[in-house]
Amino acid sequence: ETGVTQTPRHLVMGMTNKKSLKCEQHLGHNAMYWYKQSAKKPLELMFVYSLEERVENNSVPSRFSPECPNSSHLFLHLHTLQPEDSALYLCASSQDSLAGHTGELFFGEGSRLTVL
Amino acid sequence: DQQVKQNSPSLSVQEGRISILNCDYTNSMFDYFLWYKKYPAEGPTFLISISSIKDKNEDGRFTVFLNKSAKHLSLHIVPSQPGDSAVYFCAASVGGNNRLAFGKGNQVVVIP
Repeated sequence: ETGVTQTPRHLVMGMTNKKSLKCEQHLGHNAMYWYKQSAKKPLELMFVYSLEERVENNSVPSRFSPECPNSSHLFLHLHTLQPEDSALYLCASSQDSLAGHTGELFFGEGSRLTVL
Repeated sequence: DQQVKQNSPSLSVQEGRISILNCDYTNSMFDYFLWYKKYPAEGPTFLISISSIKDKNEDGRFTVFLNKSAKHLSLHIVPSQPGDSAVYFCAASVGGNNRLAFGKGNQVVVIP
């Protein structure tokens, strides 16, 4: 196992479905992130977990619910999504420390979500 | 409000020539800048970074230049190779933390 792995790679769901995206990192990092990449838009930071606590939530609608059960796993639970939520959802991890940060994130390959 | 801007979304360059990608930012608090590279169906991967205390950082064929007064940075790839064909993202952070603000990306196509 290497790096950051995301499952599923592709997901199609209806607006009334409940699904989850999963992310696992094998790098020993202590921080994990969800980013959203929509067409022709910058990557948008959604959630940050540091030491398993959510430290940032960038005004994301409540239909997206993150969960970080431990430092290696991160989930994004999806419920009653809208078609405009269709995007590539990228998970990333990094090593945060009081000594300083590198600003370097390690990304997974992404989960391509389509909401019908 | 977009804090990191990458215009000219696509660039085509002949193999062996120089590729120059530009990035502008609006937040004067940014002090750490990074470039990421992304191939189709893969996540972005870190390429090179620069701290605001420097104006140039070089790593092999890749050089990043920072002009703080203009709030502008650029990535130079020379010589360009076909394997450099990818989308390049500019990113910035405050205090070197890992909460990165990204640009939209530039598609680079290197023609053999």
